[in-house]
Amino acid sequence: NAGVTQTPKFRVLKTGQSMTLLCAQDMNHEYMYWYRQDPGMGLRLIHYSVGEGTTAKGEVPDGYNVSRLKKQNFLLGLESAAPSQTSVYFCASSWREAQYFGPGTRLTVT
Amino acid sequence: AQKVTQAQTEISVVEKEDVTLDCVYETRDTTYYLFWYKQPPSGELVFLIRRNSFDEQNEISGRYSWNFQKSTSSFNFTITASQVVDSAVYFCALSEAQAAGNKLTFGGGTRVLVKP
Repeated sequence: NAGVTQTPKFRVLKTGQSMTLLCAQDMNHEYMYWYRQDPGMGLRLIHYSVGEGTTAKGEVPDGYNVSRLKKQNFLLGLESAAPSQTSVYFCASSWREAQYFGPGTRLTVT
Repeated sequence: AQKVTQAQTEISVVEKEDVTLDCVYETRDTTYYLFWYKQPPSGELVFLIRRNSFDEQNEISGRYSWNFQKSTSSFNFTITASQVVDSAVYFCALSEAQAAGNKLTFGGGTRVLVKP
């Protein structure tokens, strides 16, 4: 039982490049989330999903897209990376209102 | 709109001292959930506690205790006899029952540094 896993752990992109972050959970949770964490700030919700095939915008969705084609996976895409997207990205899944987080992906956009 | 405020940005204590972290929240919902998470230097987020708005009993788990007071919209967290391993950033968070998707709103976090 691995819980919530994220791929990759680190990534450096150049401005304008694209990439996809993968989140996988093996707890059969319906809800999944993507957050970003910036220095000195708490976590801010980017997008979330309440079930397979569904997605919804969170607090800071601009510049990101997501897909939930399978219940266990939640993908976060950056189509054209910008330096403002340099951050640590966390994925989470939820059971009984509590969210369980992955280890994070540190993304740097130069 | 819901909001969580952690006024203390950083607290420094010497080992074995007690430390209390403040959390004040705002919500219009009558049913909501409050959480504390720990983020150690390694970076992962560890779930510590979930409390619903109808349960105002204080809770103790080992050296950790939580004090929930609806009258002051506060959900404070105390570490008793702190240890170096308690050094971390602690986040308070709120989820409203009426909000779709159990979305969490996080406070800005309090960094706790426990010195030996």
